Amino acid sequence: EAGVTQFPSHSVIEKGQTVTLRCDPISGHDNLYWYRRVMGKEIKFLLHFVKESKQDESGMPNNRFLAERTGGTYSTLKVQPAELEDSGVYFCASSQVGGGGASGEQFFGPGTRLTVL
Amino acid sequence: SQQGEEDPQALSIQEGENATMNCSYKTSINNLQWYRQNSGRGLVHLILIRSNEREKHSGRLRVTLDTSKKSSSLLITASRAADTASYFCATVVNTIQGAQKLVFGQGTRLTINP
Repeated sequence: EAGVTQFPSHSVIEKGQTVTLRCDPISGHDNLYWYRRVMGKEIKFLLHFVKESKQDESGMPNNRFLAERTGGTYSTLKVQPAELEDSGVYFCASSQVGGGGASGEQFFGPGTRLTVL
Repeated sequence: SQQGEEDPQALSIQEGENATMNCSYKTSINNLQWYRQNSGRGLVHLILIRSNEREKHSGRLRVTLDTSKKSSSLLITASRAADTASYFCATVVNTIQGAQKLVFGQGTRLTINP
């Protein structure tokens, strides 16, 4: 079974440009999460989809970030316009049950390393 | 403030030695999880320990949980070069919206020297 995939693996853009990150969760997983790790700091939650609906987007830093999950399948995270402080690694995760379920396990993708110059 | 905090932030040991990493958290939990991130790769789930468990083993991994102290430790025995990675503890936090999210500590960077 394929795991969570993310594209691209690495993106280098200039300040003010737009970047779109993509995440394909494990097939059948209704829950999809975005996290990011900035400047070697802790990994922080951004938002949580259940199917196509945003269950919790309290971690989104500001309105320059827009996440979508069309049809409840793959998700995109767009940053427009990108700022220097957006540099970091963006992780996507999926789970079959909610993150606090019996197993509690979320399956993570390899991440997208974003560098804003 | 973060739910989980880990120490040490960096640990360097010789291959074959044991490595111990600690994690503290602030709120009540249902379970606590440990993840590993190898350089350039995603997070891999290592082990989950429930709040009513005190110790759990998985291969060379041993996790303890002390809910009275709100702390956990991860012990890797007989370390190998391939264990070089960053290790994170994470707790599940229920959100106001009724969802759950993982809250991670800052991580421990473990380096195994040959």
